[in-house]
Amino acid sequence: QVRLVESGGGLVKAGGSLRLSCAVSGFTFMDYYMSWVRQAPGKGLEWIAYISSSSSTIHYADSVRGRFTISRDNAAYSLFLQMDSLRVDDTAVYYCARDFIPYSDHAVWGSWGPGTLVTVSS
Amino acid sequence: VLTQSPATLSVSPGETVTLSCRASQSVRNNLAWYQQKGGQPPRLLIYEASSRMSTAPARFSGGGSGTEFTLTITGLQSEDFAVYYCQQSKDWPSTFGQGTKLDFK
Repeated sequence: QVRLVESGGGLVKAGGSLRLSCAVSGFTFMDYYMSWVRQAPGKGLEWIAYISSSSSTIHYADSVRGRFTISRDNAAYSLFLQMDSLRVDDTAVYYCARDFIPYSDHAVWGSWGPGTLVTVSS
Repeated sequence: VLTQSPATLSVSPGETVTLSCRASQSVRNNLAWYQQKGGQPPRLLIYEASSRMSTAPARFSGGGSGTEFTLTITGLQSEDFAVYYCQQSKDWPSTFGQGTKLDFK
């Protein structure tokens, strides 16, 4: 059974940092491209970061480029998002998401974690 | 930019509804549809504009290409009341529409 579980969210002051983790199980992690997608309270979905299976290709949304860093540890079946210089408008539920088929960069996400809430206060 | 219409649709169980997603430039068939219920992560329903996930009920169908896309739900059921998002994956950054909410008439 495919499972993704995010952790590391919480309350932080503007300018601070957080590191999110996503522990996965039930599939061969190194075969899949992964992303982080966020959702501000009461708002729509926003893709923010993507990493290929070997970490050789990474993309960021303009809204987080230069502040957030996506990474992965294939041996540990884990995905990470280092978030620095956090702003109030980074407040959101952060989801890790897996591409729906292996070995592809479709950027279509068939499996999602339940999300972790990040709240940035002023 | 993906624009979904309408923002909210009031419908009754048993009805057939069609949701629209318009792209500001061609995304070919690189368009997916997701369903999201309150407090839950999104669920992938349709990929490549018209291919239904094996886990999605047959009453969901997608169509279109280029800049105009639709999601049709034939015979709406109570569990279908949710927010629906389209998403393009042709170019980075991948983007979502703002969503269409289905609520009870």
